[in-house]
Amino acid sequence: AQKVTQAQTEISVVEKEDVTLDCVYETRDTTYYLFWYKQPPSGELVFLIRRNSFDEQNEISGRYSWNFQKSTSSFNFTITASQVVDSAVYFCALSEATDDKIIFGKGTRLHILP
Amino acid sequence: EAGVAQSPRYKIIEKRQSVAFWCNPISGHATLYWYQQILGQGPKLLIQFQNNGVVDDSQLPKDRFSAERLKGVDSTLKIQPAKLEDSAVYLCASSLASGQETQYFGPGTRLLVL
Repeated sequence: AQKVTQAQTEISVVEKEDVTLDCVYETRDTTYYLFWYKQPPSGELVFLIRRNSFDEQNEISGRYSWNFQKSTSSFNFTITASQVVDSAVYFCALSEATDDKIIFGKGTRLHILP
Repeated sequence: EAGVAQSPRYKIIEKRQSVAFWCNPISGHATLYWYQQILGQGPKLLIQFQNNGVVDDSQLPKDRFSAERLKGVDSTLKIQPAKLEDSAVYLCASSLASGQETQYFGPGTRLLVL
């Protein structure tokens, strides 16, 4: 059975600090997809990244970076030089190739303090 | 490109009343999803449509929830009768195809059942 664990319920950091959001997943499939979504106070889930299980290259997009490690079943998300606008709930999600469903973690609420 | 549209944005009803939500997916997206997001949790899939057919409704409480996607475009989700525990945000998402395509979410409908 697939499962996504985001152990950090809530994180607060001061603006300009770097912050890493952890995501650990469980799956029996060898082919699967991992996602990160951002949910600002407005409520809409905003797609950030999709990564398939065969691509372990880390990805960087501006201040965002993702570290995918199959050996530890982790797909962590780092925000560098955080800004107040980064305050949101961030969800990690998993989809197996044999199942169309996306399973979401419980989310990490990130507070960036000015 | 227009995103996923949902209405209404907010709804307050009393228990045992009925309520309906509407979703218009991104143009050309064949797959449409309805999720329920209870406060403090990640989204949970209720039902998935591929064009106008149901792919997965295993987590839809069919005694009170129903959904349809006539003509394979817009969709409505209905709750009848509502219970207190139905208070949640109802998110609609769409993707180009099924499988592990990226899902794009609408702003959600926040339902409060009193």
